[in-house]
Amino acid sequence: RKEVEQDPGPFNVPEGATVAFNCTYSNSASQSFFWYRQDCRKEPKLLMSVYSSGNEDGRFTAQLNRASQYISLLIRDSKLSDSATYLCAVRGSGAGSYQLTFGKGTKLSVIP
Amino acid sequence: NAGVTQTPKFQVLKTGQSMTLQCAQDMNHNSMYWYRQDPGMGLRLIYYSASEGTTDKGEVPNGYNVSRLNKREFSLRLESAAPSQTSVYFCASSELASIQYFGAGTRLSVL
Repeated sequence: RKEVEQDPGPFNVPEGATVAFNCTYSNSASQSFFWYRQDCRKEPKLLMSVYSSGNEDGRFTAQLNRASQYISLLIRDSKLSDSATYLCAVRGSGAGSYQLTFGKGTKLSVIP
Repeated sequence: NAGVTQTPKFQVLKTGQSMTLQCAQDMNHNSMYWYRQDPGMGLRLIYYSASEGTTDKGEVPNGYNVSRLNKREFSLRLESAAPSQTSVYFCASSELASIQYFGAGTRLSVL
């Protein structure tokens, strides 16, 4: 099993739709979790950190399920500007605590 | 605010040539990283420097060397470029084991 796995998509959704992405991780000792957004030919940018209690930022909600070892990202009321690739990232523990392991990304296209 | 600055933005090399990719950050971060991103492979860590004076191998270090010149600067060197090193290279920095901030990337083609 790969360390961090995501459905590559693409997810093609109409404006206003709700879309959810999942990301599974294999290391149960992982410490921190993040969602990054990457626009075409640009660098990844932090979208949000994922906390154990779940967290929300406007239309975006991130959740962590440690028991099943996955994190999720929910986008409500999708906008055209949400079209991008979404990367999940997982930080290891101990000697690996400085390293982020990224999923390969899920591509989202929001259609007018 | 510059954040993380990478140079050059684009580079074309011939097989066997050498080059150094430069990265500088102005956020006073202790930790810096080099990644490569290839289609279908995602971001993979090449080397990282947890703090000034230390460097460690990541997932794909073969064919690369790094230098943490000072707290601000972390360079990546390809001694003898190979076509397999054609990729987009990203530098990132963080305050210890915290959120990583990325530079705009260097697109490298090795012919």
